[in-house]
Amino acid sequence: GAGVSQSPRYKVAKRGQDVALRCDPISGHVSLFWYQQALGQGPEFLTYFQNEAQLDKSGLPSDRFFAERPEGSVSTLKIQRTQQEDSAVYLCASRSAVDTQYFGPGTRLTVL
Amino acid sequence: AQSVTQPDIHITVSEGASLELRCNYSYGATPYLFWYVQSPGQGLQLLLKYFSGDTLVQGIKGFEAEFKRSQSSFNLRKPSVHWSDAAEYFCAVRDDKIIFGKGTRLHILP
Repeated sequence: GAGVSQSPRYKVAKRGQDVALRCDPISGHVSLFWYQQALGQGPEFLTYFQNEAQLDKSGLPSDRFFAERPEGSVSTLKIQRTQQEDSAVYLCASRSAVDTQYFGPGTRLTVL
Repeated sequence: AQSVTQPDIHITVSEGASLELRCNYSYGATPYLFWYVQSPGQGLQLLLKYFSGDTLVQGIKGFEAEFKRSQSSFNLRKPSVHWSDAAEYFCAVRDDKIIFGKGTRLHILP
C-alpha cells in the first residue's frame, strides 16, 4: 500500500512567516511522529501522537512550533514566525501498534 | 538518558571491500535497535532491526548487524560494498520515539 506522504516537499519562507507542513500517515497507523533533521545531523524527535492525542511534545524547540492531528490521521506541523535556525528537513513517521516506524520523504524548509 | 553514538563521521572504502559501521548505544532496558540509510535527497529507509532473539540480524541489500549486549554495540556489516551503497547511515534506538545517532557518511572508491 501507499507509504507515508508529506507535503510540500520543499518550502521556502521569509523570516517571520508562518508555515504549515502536512503528513499523511500509512492508513490505519495509530502512532505518528515528527522529527527535525538539520543539515549534516541525524533526525531529532519533535513530537508524538497516538491517534489524536499528543502524548509527547518534549522535542518541540519553542512555543512557535505546534502540531495537531485532530482526527487521528493526517497531521500538521505549524511553525509560527519562522527563523533561520528553523531551516531543516522535517520528517514524519507512522507506526502501527508495535511495529517499525516508516518514514516519509520529508519537507525541506528553507527560511531566508 | 538514552543515546546512540556513531564514532565515525565519514568512512571510505573501495568498491568490493568489506564494511563495518560502528554503533554504541546507551539504554536502560533491552533495546530495540535499528539501522537506517538515507541517500541524498531521499527519506530514511530501514535496513534492519533488532527486537529480540538471534543477535545476528539480516537486513536488506546484503547488510547484517550484530547485537552485543556486553559491548552495548550494534555494528553494521556488509561483506562487499557496491557503489550504490554510498549514503548516510544512521543507527537508532527506540524508546517509543526513535533516538538517532549523528550518522556515518559512507564514501565508495571505484
